[in-house]
Amino acid sequence: EPEVTQTPSHQVTQMGQEVILRCVPISNHLYFYWYRQILGQKVEFLVSFYNNEISEKSEIFDDQFSVERPDGSNFTLKIRSTKLEDSAMYFCASSPRTGTGNTIYFGEGSWLTVV
Amino acid sequence: SQQGEEDPQALSIQEGENATMNCSYKTSINNLQWYRQNSGRGLVHLILIRSNEREKHSGRLRVTLDTSKKSSSLLITASRAADTASYFCATENYGQNFVFGPGTRLSVLP
Repeated sequence: EPEVTQTPSHQVTQMGQEVILRCVPISNHLYFYWYRQILGQKVEFLVSFYNNEISEKSEIFDDQFSVERPDGSNFTLKIRSTKLEDSAMYFCASSPRTGTGNTIYFGEGSWLTVV
Repeated sequence: SQQGEEDPQALSIQEGENATMNCSYKTSINNLQWYRQNSGRGLVHLILIRSNEREKHSGRLRVTLDTSKKSSSLLITASRAADTASYFCATENYGQNFVFGPGTRLSVLP
């Protein structure tokens, strides 16, 4: 069964460094998402992406964050100048469409630890 | 903003028993979905129920939706140790993005 794949599975970075999290969505999907989950807390929406542009973003997704689809398969989340509070599991997700009955398929996540 | 809230926050049962988790939300929704997350792993989609549906079944899972009460329940029958995980409800409102609740941590004891 097709799945969303994410790399790295775990990254430790120094505060202030830039991090790029990578995702390969399911191949025929058109909508892409990033969510994050701070340890022990709920899953929070960051951003959605469609047709090579951001379609919606949350207040968490500030200027520190950016997303890109550099080619036909990858979808990346860049975090500039990481802070301690950016430590979380970051989930990439994709869906074939939006609207009624839309199911979002999630990857296994990338653990980010900022020290 | 709409928000799914699951209860209980944690549930511990014996293998073979049924587990019921509830989700409440605040605004109108298009559909509600339940996801499962094993510790430190990704989110696995379990079942979707549309706003015009009242009940759905999938294997040992039964989901109900009461839009008048803005609530949903997930029932896992004949639970197994392998069902131990966190369970989240996520609501979608007409093209807006999914909003997840804080989840219920289910422990099934052998």
